[in-house]
Amino acid sequence: DTAVSQTPKYLVTQMGNDKSIKCEQNLGHDTMYWYKQDSKKFLKIMFSYNNKELIINETVPNRFSPKSPDKAHLNLHINSLELGDSAVYFCASSQVSGGADEQFFGPGTRLTVL
Amino acid sequence: AQSVSQHNHHVILSEAASLELGCNYSYGGTVNLFWYVQYPGQHLQLLLKYFSGDPLVKGIKGFEAEFIKSKFSFNLRKPSVQWSDTAEYFCAVTAQAGTALIFGKGTTLSVSS
Repeated sequence: DTAVSQTPKYLVTQMGNDKSIKCEQNLGHDTMYWYKQDSKKFLKIMFSYNNKELIINETVPNRFSPKSPDKAHLNLHINSLELGDSAVYFCASSQVSGGADEQFFGPGTRLTVL
Repeated sequence: AQSVSQHNHHVILSEAASLELGCNYSYGGTVNLFWYVQYPGQHLQLLLKYFSGDPLVKGIKGFEAEFIKSKFSFNLRKPSVQWSDTAEYFCAVTAQAGTALIFGKGTTLSVSS
């Protein structure tokens, strides 16, 4: 069973379109994250949710809106896509136990904006 | 703010050579430290982690890392690399469980057979 899954795996779209990426984890974790990996492979946090509540909202354009319908799902909606949004987006989840946690990553969604 | 530096951008080795990848972080308090590997076209997988205790941690696939608090370092080592170790390696840190990972810029390891 896949622990953290994302759909779609690949997404090719035109500038100006709106698109969504879905993430689901079956690990029972309380915390979920979205990271962006740019063309130079640099990974940076975008958002973090704990029990459906937004915890981290880094300096991300407000065209990006995360939504967590329940603690097993964290979706990412992007409005008015721009060329610079092309990247790989990774979802992750973790569970704090004993003051420590480990983040499990999904397979990534490669977004290409034309 | 926390930051992570990985000194080696691209490392090229022959099979059976020894590997050491440098990682330094900037944060004065207690940290949790991680090394992740990303094989070509794949997602991030955890190699090893340090939360507390023995500063020499062993991970999967023969990797180990040593936490040296005085040097703010967490270098990754492997005594003998294989062609299948060709991948991108990321060092990461969190100051607190349940918070975001701060990643280094990654090191590309290329192993020739």
